[in-house]
Amino acid sequence: DIVLTQSPASLAVSLGQRATISCRASESVDSYGNSFMHWYQQKPGQPPKLLIYRASNLESGIPARFSGSGSRTDFTLTINPVEADDVATYYCQQSNEDPPTFGGGTKLEIK
Amino acid sequence: EVKLVESGGGLVQPGGSLRLSCATSGFTFTDYYMSWVRQPPGKALEWLGFIRNKANGYTTEYSASVKGRFTISRDNSQSILYLQMNTLRAEDSATYYCARVNWDDYAMDYWGQGTSVTVSS
Repeated sequence: DIVLTQSPASLAVSLGQRATISCRASESVDSYGNSFMHWYQQKPGQPPKLLIYRASNLESGIPARFSGSGSRTDFTLTINPVEADDVATYYCQQSNEDPPTFGGGTKLEIK
Repeated sequence: EVKLVESGGGLVQPGGSLRLSCATSGFTFTDYYMSWVRQPPGKALEWLGFIRNKANGYTTEYSASVKGRFTISRDNSQSILYLQMNTLRAEDSATYYCARVNWDDYAMDYWGQGTSVTVSS
């Protein structure tokens, strides 16, 4: 199984600043010129919400403050500028190889 | 509007069984893979399995942690997804989510609100 390691496990960012979350895969999640890495946001008491699909594509309705980048084994989710509504836990997930796997999550708080 | 609504959770004794349902609407159910994902309290998401769409024969795949104990099925006439859980253990206690799987890249693009399962004597 592909193991996804997220870092940091938690971070505190001031309003209006940039938050950067990393996800490293134990092997490449690239196929056919695409990176099958996705990012989700989960607010307390709510289900996950898809933010970014295939590493860098913004899901419909998601603010442009969210962006994703990376390829093969190293991926980044960036939130810039951070707003109070962004307090949540963020998960990466790969779908390049079965079984699909999730990272351990990164909890974002406001400093 | 796409909607997914889980039901069937509750308290069950170790070794017992439970069947979860996920009622869907707002999309052509047979066109999509559907997944189950769970989340123990305070822990990360764990994919449990999926059932493929009509074009792929409604076949299933499972994680190693539940293979042989859990069964995913679907009622395509009513657009309902099921998760039959047998031989339940304390470590199966979690919130269980159903999710629609996007056919382009297998991201999970819509999720239900979840249903809570507690396995305890």
